[in-house]
Amino acid sequence: DQQVKQNSPSLSVQEGRISILNCDYTNSMFDYFLWYKKYPAEGPTFLISISSIKDKNEDGRFTVFLNKSAKHLSLHIVPSQPGDSAVYFCAASAYVNAGKSTFGDGTTLTVKP
Amino acid sequence: KAGVTQTPRYLIKTRGQQVTLSCSPISGHRSVSWYQQTPGQGFQFLFEYFSETQRNKGNFPGRFSGRQFSNSRSEMNVSTLELGDSALYLCASSFGRGDYEQYFGPGTRLTVT
Repeated sequence: DQQVKQNSPSLSVQEGRISILNCDYTNSMFDYFLWYKKYPAEGPTFLISISSIKDKNEDGRFTVFLNKSAKHLSLHIVPSQPGDSAVYFCAASAYVNAGKSTFGDGTTLTVKP
Repeated sequence: KAGVTQTPRYLIKTRGQQVTLSCSPISGHRSVSWYQQTPGQGFQFLFEYFSETQRNKGNFPGRFSGRQFSNSRSEMNVSTLELGDSALYLCASSFGRGDYEQYFGPGTRLTVT
């Protein structure tokens, strides 16, 4: 049973437009959600996170939205830049197991100039 | 501040052999987690160590073991290697208990032939 799902394996957007990456989870114990970005031959890099007590968190061009009732979160990138092209992983954790994150399978974002 | 380092970066082993992978966390970080990443299974959590104690363990056979030293450096060992153990092994560190954001190393690519 996959507890964190990213249903879109890939996404292609034009430079300057908005990129929206989606993630669904099933485990109600998750109380913290994270997005990581991964380039080839590198480890994942932490991008942005959100606690379950919030429904939105912004950091520059990146905004994460959380809909707890739907068990859904999304990452918005505005405006998208070619350097944003990477694999994006959604991850979820529960406080009792903060050092153990459950990851989705990733979405490959391609931003075209 | 130096990032998480993992050695070796690449490793080729034969079935039945054993292997030890090493991880040095970011200075000051006391929690180290290990993940296995494969194309078919995505990220799978192996274990987490905090202050030399294993805090969490994933669903892996006993052939997979780990430890953490007093300087927070960590090693994982896989004995009696199988072809299915071929994967990217990622180490991630965080400051301490309850820290959700993890900082990943570049990984060790293990190939079992």
